[in-house]
Amino acid sequence: DVVMTQSPLSLPVTLGQPASISCRSSQSLVYSDGNTYLNWFQQRPGQSPRRLIYKVSNRDSGVPDRFSGSGSGTDFTLKISRVEAEDVGVYYCMQGTHWPLWTFGQGTKVEIK
Amino acid sequence: EVQLVQSGAEVKKPGATVKISCKVSGYTFTDYYMHWVQQAPGKGLEWMGLVDPEDGETIYAEKFQGRVTITADTSTDTAYMELSSLRSEDTAVYYCATDHLGLWGRGTLVTVSS
Repeated sequence: DVVMTQSPLSLPVTLGQPASISCRSSQSLVYSDGNTYLNWFQQRPGQSPRRLIYKVSNRDSGVPDRFSGSGSGTDFTLKISRVEAEDVGVYYCMQGTHWPLWTFGQGTKVEIK
Repeated sequence: EVQLVQSGAEVKKPGATVKISCKVSGYTFTDYYMHWVQQAPGKGLEWMGLVDPEDGETIYAEKFQGRVTITADTSTDTAYMELSSLRSEDTAVYYCATDHLGLWGRGTLVTVSS
């Protein structure tokens, strides 16, 4: 099975400063159709997960442009250009390339210093 | 409005069975797989399985195989997740989710306690 590894697991950040989360997969996430099914989710306290980014770098509707995704193959990154208070929560990467399952990273907790 | 509406919280005794519903609105139910995800208190996200509403075909995670049954009712655009032989470790929030627009339900808390 594919294993998704995130780092760091805890990320204290200063308001207005950038933040970056790494996600590595144990296998390439490039699917036979040429797409890479790597998504990023945000889970605010007490809420359900919200997808921010799909297929590595595509922002979902309504997601602020301070969020960006990049990467290829097995290495991926979520960046927040300037952290705001509403960004506090846990962030998960998830692969959907290798069926039959979704595989999530352990989660990265973002908090304000 | 495009959304997934889940049924309410449940309290069950060990050994019992729980069945949670997830009603789809705003898109064609049969166009996208419906997934179910477990989140234990303070823990991460774990995929349980999926159903293809178009033909009812299911795929389950190995961890839940034999205890979970996921179904889809196209007459009501509703997916169901049934988990049997409940134990305390099954206390968790259960989410339905789909690839369409990255939609997730709000979650259903299942508490297993004697």
